[in-house]
Amino acid sequence: DVVMTQSPLSLPVTLGQPASISCRSSQTLVYSDGRIYLNWFQQRPGQSPRRLIYWVSHRDSGVPDRFSGSGSGTDFTLEISRVEAEDLGVYYCMQGTHWPWTFGQGTKVEVQ
Amino acid sequence: QVQLVESGGGLVKPGGSLRLSCAASGFPFSGQYMNWIRQTPGKGLEWISYINGDSADTNYADSVKGRFTISRDNAKKSVYLQMNSLRAEDTAVYYCVRVARLADVWGQGTTVTVSS
Repeated sequence: DVVMTQSPLSLPVTLGQPASISCRSSQTLVYSDGRIYLNWFQQRPGQSPRRLIYWVSHRDSGVPDRFSGSGSGTDFTLEISRVEAEDLGVYYCMQGTHWPWTFGQGTKVEVQ
Repeated sequence: QVQLVESGGGLVKPGGSLRLSCAASGFPFSGQYMNWIRQTPGKGLEWISYINGDSADTNYADSVKGRFTISRDNAKKSVYLQMNSLRAEDTAVYYCVRVARLADVWGQGTTVTVSS
């Protein structure tokens, strides 16, 4: 199975400041259609995961533009340009290229 | 709007069975892959099964293969997960999720607890 490794696992942040989460895959994630199936999800306390980013850098409708995704090969990053209180929660990366599709361990973003 | 609503979770003894249901609305159901993903505090998020629109393509994680069966009824806009030979490690919140590989919409989840 493809292992998705996130860092850090805990990210203390200051509201209004930037934040960055890294995700590394144990294999490259280019699918046969040429796309990279690397997604990012946000899970607020008591809620289901919500997709923020798909295909590495495509932001979902309704997701604030302070969220951005980047990366290639086996290294990917989710960045929040200015953290707001509603951004607190756990973030997961996920690969949908190689079955079984797998998730990272999660990064908890909390107020410093 | 697009909505997925799971039901059927509960407390079951080891070795028992349970059938989860997911009712979909707000999109053309028969054309979409549907999936079940579970979440536990210990193992995190685990994608356990998917099914395509005409039920011809299904797949399972090794952890549930041979014990769980995914199915769907396009007329009822519903997807199901039949879980047999349940184990303590199957205790989790089970989510119904739309679209293979991309997981764009999630239900609210239903909790399955396997305990004697």
